[in-house]
Amino acid sequence: RKEVEQDPGPFNVPEGATVAFNCTYSNSASQSFFWYRQDCRKEPKLLMSVYSSGNEDGRFTAQLNRASQYISLLIRDSKLSDSATYLCVVSPSRLSSGSARQLTFGSGTQLTVLP
Amino acid sequence: EAQVTQNPRYLITVTGKKLTVTCSQNMNHEYMSWYRQDPGLGLRQIYYSMNVEVTDKGDVPEGYKVSRKEKRNFPLILESPSPNQTSLYFCASSLTRSTDTQYFGPGTRLTVL
Repeated sequence: RKEVEQDPGPFNVPEGATVAFNCTYSNSASQSFFWYRQDCRKEPKLLMSVYSSGNEDGRFTAQLNRASQYISLLIRDSKLSDSATYLCVVSPSRLSSGSARQLTFGSGTQLTVLP
Repeated sequence: EAQVTQNPRYLITVTGKKLTVTCSQNMNHEYMSWYRQDPGLGLRQIYYSMNVEVTDKGDVPEGYKVSRKEKRNFPLILESPSPNQTSLYFCASSLTRSTDTQYFGPGTRLTVL
């Protein structure tokens, strides 16, 4: 089982739609959670951190459910410019050697917003 | 402009020919790291550095070396590249630790024949 799992998609939604992504993580000791955005063939960029109480940034809302070990990202009123791959990121966790793993990235969920 | 730069951006090489991918940041960041990105596997950390002369292995360090002689530079060295190291490589930096916002370089697409 992967440490961080995401539905790869693709999610194809019309402009203006609301779309939600989930991400599950296996290490219950994980402390920090993030969503990064990656445009095609470009570098990832931080979209938002995910706090225990949930947080909102404009059209984007992130939630953390520690009991079920998942985080979610909700995008309201989708724009064409939201088309990208969304990466779920979790930290810290442990390598099998016992060393601290720094960040674990999910494989990403691809979103395409259609006109 | 605050940025992370990588060179080269694209490289095609042959098995066994040593190569170095440079990474430089101008933000005075202490933490730097290297990732490789492969389809279906996400970004996997190769090495990271907490500060000058402090480096440690990430998830997939085999076949790679790094050095951190200066704060701004964190080169990735492939002593004897093999085809399974064909990948998209990203360098990243952050203020002091991995949970600070990571600033990624533009990526280096490496093909090893």
